[in-house]
Amino acid sequence: GAGVSQTPSNKVTEKGKYVELRCDPISGHTALYWYRQSLGQGPEFLIYFQGTGAADDSGLPNDRFFAVRPEGSVSTLKIQRTERGDSAVYLCASGGRDTEAFFGQGTRLTVV
Amino acid sequence: DAKTTQPPSMDCAEGRAANLPCNHSTISGNEYVYWYRQIHSQGPQYIIHGLKNNETNEMASLIITEDRKSSTLILPHATLRDTAVYYCIVGHDYKLSFGAGTTVTVRA
Repeated sequence: GAGVSQTPSNKVTEKGKYVELRCDPISGHTALYWYRQSLGQGPEFLIYFQGTGAADDSGLPNDRFFAVRPEGSVSTLKIQRTERGDSAVYLCASGGRDTEAFFGQGTRLTVV
Repeated sequence: DAKTTQPPSMDCAEGRAANLPCNHSTISGNEYVYWYRQIHSQGPQYIIHGLKNNETNEMASLIITEDRKSSTLILPHATLRDTAVYYCIVGHDYKLSFGAGTTVTVRA
């Protein structure tokens, strides 16, 4: 596709469950980012991949959150034992070398 | 990363120029100034960025003061579709630290 694609667009899950959020970056982009946006706030950095490796995961809030990018393209953000406070829009962005970040539409996660 | 200060909201008239200020007094020498905007229910959209010199593209102009402690984003002819939250961010490389931004409402 032409842009960053995130699936699902909406996800409702019960407290304590495990969820996976998928990001398909723009073809050829080596950099991939995950952000989280709570209602009324700006996006908050979670993790940055350069290729297959996580170059900076300092924004992940705790060890329930994990992200992978095994082949340097698609990435999956995984959240274990979800809590109501995890409810937010999870945004993925990708970029090439020396280009700006292009964001997807996000996945709205609701933990009930 | 250095932090920015933006007004929480501003209105502007359709067809007029919108000037969005941003203070970044603690910016360091190698940090860029980036502007993104976020239209309701969409992901952030890149607008423009600069280091020292003023920049212009098809969307906007960016004016950076000589001491680099503040900047202004100019939307030359605002339209109703420019209504959005505008984020001024300073940093470099990959890690964008979004603040609360300025909610810009363009009125007919």
